[in-house]
Amino acid sequence: GAVVSQHPSWVICKSGTSVKIECRSLDFQATTMFWYRQFPKQSLMLMATSNEGSKATYEQGVEKDKFLINHASLTLSTLTVTSAHPEDSSFYICSREAFFGQGTRLTVV
Amino acid sequence: DAKTTQPTSMDCAEGRAANLPCNHSTISGNEYVYWYRQIHSQGPQYIIHGLKNNETNEMASLIITEDRKSSTLILPHATLRDTAVYYCIVRVEFTSNTGKLIFGQGTTLQVKP
Repeated sequence: GAVVSQHPSWVICKSGTSVKIECRSLDFQATTMFWYRQFPKQSLMLMATSNEGSKATYEQGVEKDKFLINHASLTLSTLTVTSAHPEDSSFYICSREAFFGQGTRLTVV
Repeated sequence: DAKTTQPTSMDCAEGRAANLPCNHSTISGNEYVYWYRQIHSQGPQYIIHGLKNNETNEMASLIITEDRKSSTLILPHATLRDTAVYYCIVRVEFTSNTGKLIFGQGTTLQVKP
């Protein structure tokens, strides 16, 4: 069964609003989790490393104030897309070790 | 950089073996070869990984050349549900505090009836 669970699977939001995506480690405490983004017909791009109890580490070119990551417990990391715009529409995926969540399709209208 | 090279796309007949190649000529001694696949609109699914010996599980077999510069993922009896993008990734083995993966473009495998 799944060891990493994401919620929601899909979300539609209005431009200018914020959206929170949850990533749960179901079978193991995770001090480190990862967030990826995938645009249509492209590969996955790592956005950031989520660290339990400390600040996330962002990849070059990813705005930390726009993509807020919180890893307050050993089983939950959240990604909040703030002031979302249509160009933020994408497939967001989290992972823990070798395992991935099912992804969240974000559409900003 | 992904450090691997894969063909962009491949076709395979249903029921036949699908052999997906991957070149990783700069692989380090402590790096493993991992294979994932991604079916449309889903998260990547782990398939198999290996260091230098050939590996087999219920999903696939992994053949790694003796010099470790290339490998082949084999799906022994491809089905239509195996149509997906297959990613070959080299990295050190996962531990509880690691897991970052650098994805290349992968191979789009189309299984045809």
